[in-house]
Amino acid sequence: DIQMTQSPSTLSASVGDRVTITCRASQSISSWLAWYQQKPGKAPKLLISKASSLESGVPSRFSGSGSGTEFTLTISSLQPDDFATYYCQQYNSYFVTFGGGTKVEIK
Amino acid sequence: EVQLVESGGGLVKPGGSLRLSCAASGFTFTSYSMNWVRQAPGKGLEWVSSISSSSSYIYYADSVRGRFTISRDTAKNSLYLQMNSLRADDTAVYYCARAVAGATVFDYWGQGGLVTVSS
Repeated sequence: DIQMTQSPSTLSASVGDRVTITCRASQSISSWLAWYQQKPGKAPKLLISKASSLESGVPSRFSGSGSGTEFTLTISSLQPDDFATYYCQQYNSYFVTFGGGTKVEIK
Repeated sequence: EVQLVESGGGLVKPGGSLRLSCAASGFTFTSYSMNWVRQAPGKGLEWVSSISSSSSYIYYADSVRGRFTISRDTAKNSLYLQMNSLRADDTAVYYCARAVAGATVFDYWGQGGLVTVSS
């Protein structure tokens, strides 16, 4: 199975900060990577697919980049609604795997 | 509006069985692959199983293969997960999730159903 490693596991930031989360794959996955946001007690929400394609309705402050084995999710200016846990997910194979998650906390 | 509503969760003893259901509405159920994804308490997301739109292709995570069975009923617009030989480490919130066309990316999720395996 392809292993996905996210860093950091926790991130403390303030409203207005630029935030970057990294996701690394154990082997090349081309651009077959998605990002999700999850708030406590809620189902995950799809933000980005194919590494950089923003889903409809997702604010433009979110962006994704990368290919191969290294990917990033960037929030250009953190808003109060963005404090949540973020997961990357590879779908290069039928056996999809998620990263361990990055919790974005209020500093 | 796309809706996925899980039911069937609960408390079960180790070694027991449980069947989860997911009722789908608001989209053409027969056109989409469907999935189960779980999340143990305080932990991350783990993909469990996928079933293609026609039920021709079925995949399982190693952790559940041989114990869990995914199925779908097009007449009832429903997805199922039959879980047998349950273990304590199967305790989790189980989400049903729709995959986007042509890729195992999950664009709609149910609210989740809690399965607790404990004696």
